[in-house]
Amino acid sequence: AQSVAQPEDQVNVAEGNPLTVKCTYSVSGNPYLFWYVQYPNRGLQFLLKYITGDNLVKGSYGFEAEFNKSQTSFHLKKPSALVSDSALYFCAVRDRRSSASKIIFGSGTRLSIRP
Amino acid sequence: ETGVTQTPRHLVMGMTNKKSLKCEQHLGHNAMYWYKQSAKKPLELMFVYSLEERVENNSVPSRFSPECPNSSHLFLHLHTLQPEDSALYLCASSQDFGGRFSYEQYFGPGTRLTVT
Repeated sequence: AQSVAQPEDQVNVAEGNPLTVKCTYSVSGNPYLFWYVQYPNRGLQFLLKYITGDNLVKGSYGFEAEFNKSQTSFHLKKPSALVSDSALYFCAVRDRRSSASKIIFGSGTRLSIRP
Repeated sequence: ETGVTQTPRHLVMGMTNKKSLKCEQHLGHNAMYWYKQSAKKPLELMFVYSLEERVENNSVPSRFSPECPNSSHLFLHLHTLQPEDSALYLCASSQDFGGRFSYEQYFGPGTRLTVT
């Protein structure tokens, strides 16, 4: 069985400060890991994914994520937050051996950046 | 925009109505998905189509009926819905369906459905 957990419902950060949105996962095999963002009244938008290789993955809008196999984590990070980063963020995981539809989404973390 | 469009964006319907949601992808993808997003609940996968063939149906009530006439279009036909069916319905597509590659999904903006 596979699962993904986002332990924080909400993260509040001041503009200009670094931000981290946490994600931990559980899969029986090797994972594909994804981050998506959802702005109000919009669908989910793909940010980045981990396939293999370098544990630090760079994505859209200056976001990056660090894959940590020993801690089974895939935290989303950005060095300097913008007010426009305020949105709902979803982590997702899929076992490499399963089909694309077997992706599991986390419950989401609401990121709020204050000016 | 992501290359996936959905119409209508908002829909209010009574429990006895029949309506349809439409999704179109302009990405040349082979797989399409319907999801239901409700407040305080994880994203729920409803249906999956790969090359116009339904490959998954995740215990969805028969009042929801999908249709995929070609690889670019996906419909969700609705009839005799219940108030608990009110949610954001998201369409997504991916390059392919098989598990060999890390195919991320691209989502449309969703249809906000309210059942009265």
